[in-house]
Amino acid sequence: GESVGLHLPTLSVQEGDNSIINCAYSNSASDYFIWYKQESGKGPQFIIDIRSNMDKRQGQRVTVLLNKTVKHLSLQIAATQPGDSAVYFCAEIFYGGSQGNLIFGKGTKLSVKP
Amino acid sequence: KAGVTQTPRYLIKTRGQQVTLSCSPISGHRSVSWYQQTPGQGLQFLFEYFSETQRNKGNFPGRFSGRQFSNSRSEMNVSTLELGDSALYLCASSLGESVNQPQHFGDGTRLSIL
Repeated sequence: GESVGLHLPTLSVQEGDNSIINCAYSNSASDYFIWYKQESGKGPQFIIDIRSNMDKRQGQRVTVLLNKTVKHLSLQIAATQPGDSAVYFCAEIFYGGSQGNLIFGKGTKLSVKP
Repeated sequence: KAGVTQTPRYLIKTRGQQVTLSCSPISGHRSVSWYQQTPGQGLQFLFEYFSETQRNKGNFPGRFSGRQFSNSRSEMNVSTLELGDSALYLCASSLGESVNQPQHFGDGTRLSIL
């Protein structure tokens, strides 16, 4: 069945380093992808999205890369800061039948060491 | 601009009871989706409402229901509560249907079943 999974459940980086969080998706028909950040005690916060007609999109300190050939999505965070410590989720959207389906990955916990 | 507001933040119920959770979307947003988040299953989609109509439904039993009012505010109801219903329930809103654009989440209602 369709699923969204994460290669690494936890990631620890040094402050100032770049972080890369990976996500694998299984449905080649997925055409919209979103990254969310969830801090402790809060709801997920939208970070960046990308559509399947693109392979790269940049935001403020974040870049999302989409490799449709291997069905892989990644989130790069430049100059990681302590405030980036959180759980990061990827989500994929695909259409099955007459409705769209939004599926979230399990999440990767990012810890930033000062 | 106020974000998505969920009430109450915390709730304790016993098995067999029912519960109603409330969500006020961002002003102007017409789509409201509900999710259940647990450590074991992650974020799971419950249902989505758009213009007072249920547009999409996840794989949850009929004990879980929802509705949306003309002002886009939404409620979800869980009847005959079970221990396994203990979770963080998240509401998210978007301008249009969630499969086309990012959602904005509230901080959730933490439901504990004793």
